[in-house]
Amino acid sequence: KNQVEQSPQSLIILEGKNCTLQCNYTVSPFSNLRWYKQDTGRGPVSLTIMTFSENTKSNGRYTATLDADTKQSSLHITASQLSDSASYICVVSEGGNKLVFGAGTILRVKS
Amino acid sequence: GAGVSQSPSNKVTEKGKDVELRCDPISGHTALYWYRQSLGQGLEFLIYFQGNSAPDKSGLPSDRFSAERTGGSVSTLTIQRTQQEDSAVYLCASSSGLKWGGTEAFFGQGTRLTVV
Repeated sequence: KNQVEQSPQSLIILEGKNCTLQCNYTVSPFSNLRWYKQDTGRGPVSLTIMTFSENTKSNGRYTATLDADTKQSSLHITASQLSDSASYICVVSEGGNKLVFGAGTILRVKS
Repeated sequence: GAGVSQSPSNKVTEKGKDVELRCDPISGHTALYWYRQSLGQGLEFLIYFQGNSAPDKSGLPSDRFSAERTGGSVSTLTIQRTQQEDSAVYLCASSSGLKWGGTEAFFGQGTRLTVV
């Protein structure tokens, strides 16, 4: 069964620190992988998309990596800010037209 | 429409009552997903539509839950005989369903359901 597993389930870090969120998937065939950010009380919004041939992509303080061989992706947040507190969701496209969603990692940044 | 629209935004209902949640996807999007989030928890998959058919409804937690989609557009999620554990935010997402390049999911703001 195609699955997307995210870890940790939740994370608390101090403002200014870095953190890395993990996404492992078994989805096949693979088309692309997106990371979404969901602020409290709002719907998730796309942060970045990774295709099969891309290993790393940055969006400001967010850097996503993809290892298509091991079927792992990570989202690294540098110099965290209070506004980074959110749920981060990994979504993999099955290569057909179905998306498989991870459960998300809840990040809380404390001052 | 311009985005995915869900209604109502908030719903408080008494235990045992039926509720209907509505999702209006982006026009032309063939794929539609229902998820729910309990307080402080991650996304829980409920059902996936491609057009009007539901090739994957494995996430519906019980037979009290049903969903339909008509005209390849609006979808309704119905919960019968609501229970307190049904309290959650119900999120709807749609995507264009194109094989390549159209795989971004656009989410609605969600319906917050509270069963009292």
